Amino acid sequence: GENVEQHPSTLSVQEGDSAVIKCTYSDSASNYFPWYKQELGKRPQLIIDIRSNVGEKKDQRIAVTLNKTAKHFSLHITETQPEDSAVYFCAASNFLSGGSNYKLTFGKGTLLTVNP
Amino acid sequence: DVKVTQSSRYLVKRTGEKVFLECVQDMDHENMFWYRQDPGLGLRLIYFSYDVKMKEKGDIPEGYSVSREKKERFSLILESASTNQTSMYLCASSATGRYGYTFGSGTRLTVV
Repeated sequence: GENVEQHPSTLSVQEGDSAVIKCTYSDSASNYFPWYKQELGKRPQLIIDIRSNVGEKKDQRIAVTLNKTAKHFSLHITETQPEDSAVYFCAASNFLSGGSNYKLTFGKGTLLTVNP
Repeated sequence: DVKVTQSSRYLVKRTGEKVFLECVQDMDHENMFWYRQDPGLGLRLIYFSYDVKMKEKGDIPEGYSVSREKKERFSLILESASTNQTSMYLCASSATGRYGYTFGSGTRLTVV
């Protein structure tokens, strides 16, 4: 099955700096890579995702890049703010047309702390 | 506008008890999932269901079973609770053809 490795496990940055979280995956058939943000005591929420036919996607201060050859993808947050402090999870899946393939395999998470 | 509802936020059960965790979604999603979340281990898939009465094992199904009799409801059952099942349990749902999960708020289960 799919295996997703995520680094670093903790990341501390100063407000205004950039933050980068990296993930690698094992299954070359994986074609969908979302990122979830979980604030303390809250549910994970999807913040951005990318499909395997795209190399980069941006949404305001966040961006995700994908290198299919190397089987890794990264989350980039620019101009970090204290409200960006949370646990971030990457995930991967091979979404085919069958319902049984709609499962995500998650990384272990990165605790991002943005210091004011 | 809560769309995935887990019946309990906190639950304390005794070792050996049969425990039911309930999850209900109101978005008519075909796919439903149960994950457990532990510090340093991330989210691990226990079971999932892509249709009523259909279920598939995830990565850590031992000690758990599930039931999906109606499309909107997916139940996780701990047949005989043990202390190593103390964890945060997260339910999620997704629609076929759309990739994003919607998570519930989670149930923090403590087995004593």
